[in-house]
Amino acid sequence: EDQVTQSPEALRLQEGESSSLNCSYTVSGLRGLFWYRQDPGKGPEFLFTLYSAGEEKEKERLKATLTKKESFLHITAPKPEDSATYLCAVQATSNYQLIWGAGTKLIIKP
Amino acid sequence: GAGVSQTPSNKVTEKGKYVELRCDPISGHTALYWYRQSLGQGPEFLIYFQGTGAADDSGLPNDRFFAVRPEGSVSTLKIQRTERGDSAVYLCASSYTSGGAYNEQFFGPGTRLTVL
Repeated sequence: EDQVTQSPEALRLQEGESSSLNCSYTVSGLRGLFWYRQDPGKGPEFLFTLYSAGEEKEKERLKATLTKKESFLHITAPKPEDSATYLCAVQATSNYQLIWGAGTKLIIKP
Repeated sequence: GAGVSQTPSNKVTEKGKYVELRCDPISGHTALYWYRQSLGQGPEFLIYFQGTGAADDSGLPNDRFFAVRPEGSVSTLKIQRTERGDSAVYLCASSYTSGGAYNEQFFGPGTRLTVL
């Protein structure tokens, strides 16, 4: 069964304190792994797609990496506006739906 | 508009009533997806359209749920005989393609459905 697990459930950091969020997955065949950001009361906002192990992508203070079993979202010197829930999802080669983790709620304190 | 739009933003209904939720995807996107999200959880897949046809409806929980996309653009999710357990945020997403490049799904703001 395709499955995504994210950890930690919540993470509180001071502004400027770098850290990483984890997304572990099991999937029969990986078409792509997706990272989204979700603010309260809004729909998920697309951040990155990773397609194969070893791939990395960066956007501002965020960097996503992928191995055969997990993905990390590294956040460098975060700011309070980076506070949100970060969601990870996988798309299997057998279909086109996204299988989602429950998310990591990130809080950055000024 | 540039993004996916959903109407209404909020819907409150009584148990047993019928509701329709509308999604207007990004222009030119051929794929359209419906998900629902409960508090503190990730979205849960319901149905996927490629063009006008439902290519995968394996996530619909039962036959009270139905969705259409008659002209390959706007989609409507229909729920009959609503139950309190149907209360959730219903999210719609669209993508330029289904797989390969440009398959990122872009989401609307969601419709919050509350069944009393």
